[in-house]
Amino acid sequence: TQLLEQSPQFLSIQEGENLTVYCNSSSVFSSLQWYRQEPGEGPVLLVTVVTGGEVKKLKRLTFQFGDARKDSSLHITAAQPGDTGLYLCAGAGGNEKLTFGTGTRLTIIP
Amino acid sequence: EPEVTQTPSHQVTQMGQEVILRCVPISNHLYFYWYRQILGQKVEFLVSFYNNEISEKSEIFDDQFSVERPDGSNFTLKIRSTKLEDSAMYFCASRRDNYSPLHFGNGTRLTVT
Repeated sequence: TQLLEQSPQFLSIQEGENLTVYCNSSSVFSSLQWYRQEPGEGPVLLVTVVTGGEVKKLKRLTFQFGDARKDSSLHITAAQPGDTGLYLCAGAGGNEKLTFGTGTRLTIIP
Repeated sequence: EPEVTQTPSHQVTQMGQEVILRCVPISNHLYFYWYRQILGQKVEFLVSFYNNEISEKSEIFDDQFSVERPDGSNFTLKIRSTKLEDSAMYFCASRRDNYSPLHFGNGTRLTVT
């Protein structure tokens, strides 16, 4: 069974600070995706990383896939209140299903 | 931008009743999925569907569950005899091909009483 653990589970920081969320597994994934989920809505894809060591930037968000394709991180620079939400990582193992992580609930305090 | 739509947004049913959750995937998508999220827990894969048949299912997807694509637009999840533990958000998702991103609907909140 593939498991993805995210840390921290909850994070509350002041506006303007930087933060990093981690997504770790003992399993290798062919790709890893990060989603953001708002209350009452489905997950919305932010990024997909495919190659070990890959780094992708989306404005103030930087996503990195570990060299061994077992872990990933999401770094947010100068967090804004609009970044508040539930962040989910999800790994694809070569078959069709996604294995979702445990989630990180981020709160940015104005 | 086209989106996956799900109805109803909230369904309340009594234990033992049958429910059908409906989804309209994005029109040119070929791969369809159901996921669920029990309150406070992670999103879990239920089933994938391609070319009019189930391509993969999880251990959660037992014989109480079934999926159907009755016409060219709808994709349904049926729970034959609901249990209290079936209470969850059920998300439908679709994608054009195996390399395209997955698009999720906004979910149906199923409450079994």
